[in-house]
Amino acid sequence: GQQLNQSPQSMFIQEGEDVSMNCTSSSIFNTWLWYKQDPGEGPVLLIALYKAGELTSNGRLTAQFGITRKDSFLNISASIPSDVGIYFCAGQPWNTGNQFYFGTGTSLTVIP
Amino acid sequence: ETGVTQSPTHLIKTRGQQVTLRCSSQSGHNTVSWYQQALGQGPQFIFQYYREEENGRGNFPPRFSGLQFPNYSSELNVNALELDDSALYLCASSLRGRGSWVQYFGPGTRLTVL
Repeated sequence: GQQLNQSPQSMFIQEGEDVSMNCTSSSIFNTWLWYKQDPGEGPVLLIALYKAGELTSNGRLTAQFGITRKDSFLNISASIPSDVGIYFCAGQPWNTGNQFYFGTGTSLTVIP
Repeated sequence: ETGVTQSPTHLIKTRGQQVTLRCSSQSGHNTVSWYQQALGQGPQFIFQYYREEENGRGNFPPRFSGLQFPNYSSELNVNALELDDSALYLCASSLRGRGSWVQYFGPGTRLTVL
């Protein structure tokens, strides 16, 4: 199946620092989604991106749909302890109308 | 809260048994997708149901099957359970026809196969 490379795999940062993570694919995607998952729970949608070059914010979170349509980026500004969790990217290839592929996740730890 | 519910929360089965997991979609959503998430991995697409028919399938064997009902709720059935089937099973609902396929997840069912 489709492989999404998500990096970094884990991050340990001080409270107040900014965070950046990214996701790349070998194929062109129509849609990119970013999710956050807490232990034992389902992923929660953070941001949805529909168009190449699109930059979308949700509070302290900002995500971008790469120009090549093969990558996406998520930034978190001024991190706080509740940002702790695993962040997943998910992409929908151009040639499937229904299937999303997920990255392997970025585990974020915020040190107070 | 996404409005997507799943039952049961946890389940323990033995190898060779069969299991049925259930999902209720978010109100107004007509499409349900099922995912398997192994520990430390991202969710893997199993299949999707739209209008009570399977509408796309990932790389999973036929012993993984599903149903969608007229009220858009859904079931995932797994026959002849194997140890590797132990995972968090997630369902996600979406509204087909809006030009996007944003999916909202339920809390998942944790399946343990012994």
